[in-house]
Formats: sequence, structure tokens, C-alpha cells
Amino acid sequence: SQQGEEDPQALSIQEGENATMNCSYKTSINNLQWYRQNSGRGLVHLILIRSNEREKHSGRLRVTLDTSKKSSSLLITASRAADTASYFCATDRAGQGGKLIFGQGTELSVKP
Amino acid sequence: DAGVIQSPRHEVTEMGQEVTLRCKPISGHNSLFWYRQTMMRGLELLIYFNNNVPIDDSGMPEDRFSAKMPNASFSTLKIQPSEPRDSAVYFCASGAGGRDEQFFGPGTRLTVL
Repeated sequence: SQQGEEDPQALSIQEGENATMNCSYKTSINNLQWYRQNSGRGLVHLILIRSNEREKHSGRLRVTLDTSKKSSSLLITASRAADTASYFCATDRAGQGGKLIFGQGTELSVKP
Repeated sequence: DAGVIQSPRHEVTEMGQEVTLRCKPISGHNSLFWYRQTMMRGLELLIYFNNNVPIDDSGMPEDRFSAKMPNASFSTLKIQPSEPRDSAVYFCASGAGGRDEQFFGPGTRLTVL
């Protein structure tokens, strides 16, 4: 079964608004990563948060991790049309040797 | 750095034919991953290598699929014989080992008629 499950499956917002995507998982993890995929392209790593961290920032991105609830959120502030893409969370499960399990993704559309 | 290189970018073949996908990881990376992406099943890990050794191939769907990594700079994923349900985008990714980010190639879009 999928380790990471994102919601919503699709999100449509206006440029300048914030976008929040959530990810839930089932087992203990070493870290959780967020990736972005533009249509027809490979995935690009955005940010990694380790199991002992609660929040991390990178530019307009903010990621939180709640290991007690087994959930994470990705916030993109002041969104731009160029942020339109699919966003995936991936978990590095404890004891799995670095293997990542990806969720189904959130499709974000930012309208100019 | 050229990033992860995959070839071919597109492959159209007929059912029953052998298909070979190729990947050159980023120099210095010691982990290599093969994924398959479809609308129905999302992104699935097929197999991964660490220091050229296959570590986990539990995601390989059938014996028709095989992967090799003869050296640190090259890997192949072979499907023989191919079937229409193998149509997907196949990604190769590499990593510096441990529990760090993975760098994805542009993918090979495979269509089996």
C-alpha cells in the first residue's frame, strides 16, 4: 500500500495566494521529502525534513512534520504561475535502507 | 554536471519485442534507482542498487523485467518480452547514498503496441 498519501489530489489557486498540501504516512520514518514534477519532466527534489525536525524553510517553501500524527504539510507562499506542477511526498521508512516510497501527488494549478 | 542521463527518451515498440532502457547516474553517486510512473499506479520503485549491487528488487513486476549495473556509471533496465501493460514512463534516479535526496533523469516514455 502507499506509504505517503497526499491531499488534496488537486488544488487550484490564484497567483499570490498560498498553497498548502498535506501528506500522511503509516510507519516510522527516517525522513520525509517533497518533490515537484512539471508535466512531462522528471521529479525535482525540493526539501528534506528529518524525523527529529518539526519545521523547515527553503525560500517560499515551508515544511512541517508531525511524527505523532504521521503527517507533513508543504506550504508554498505567494504562489506564482510557474509553481504549477505536481507535488509528491516521499518517505524514507525506518529499516528500509534509504528506499523512498512516493505518494500519489497533489496537482497544483496556479492561475495568473 | 549533466545530471542523470537516460536513453532513449521515447521508445515505441511492438508487443513481444525486447526493450532496453539505459541510465547514466551522476558521477560520484553510489545509489541508483529505477522507477515506473503510470496514471493508474503512480510512481513505483522497481529496483535499487547501492555500490552497483542490487539491494531491493521487490518492485520488479515479473521475470520479464531485469536490471543490471555493470559499473558505477551505467545501468540498464530490460523488458523481455514487452507487453502493452508495460507502457509507462520509466525514471532513473541517483543519490549520494545514505538517506539523502534523489536526482531524477528526464525519463523514458515507453509505448508497447
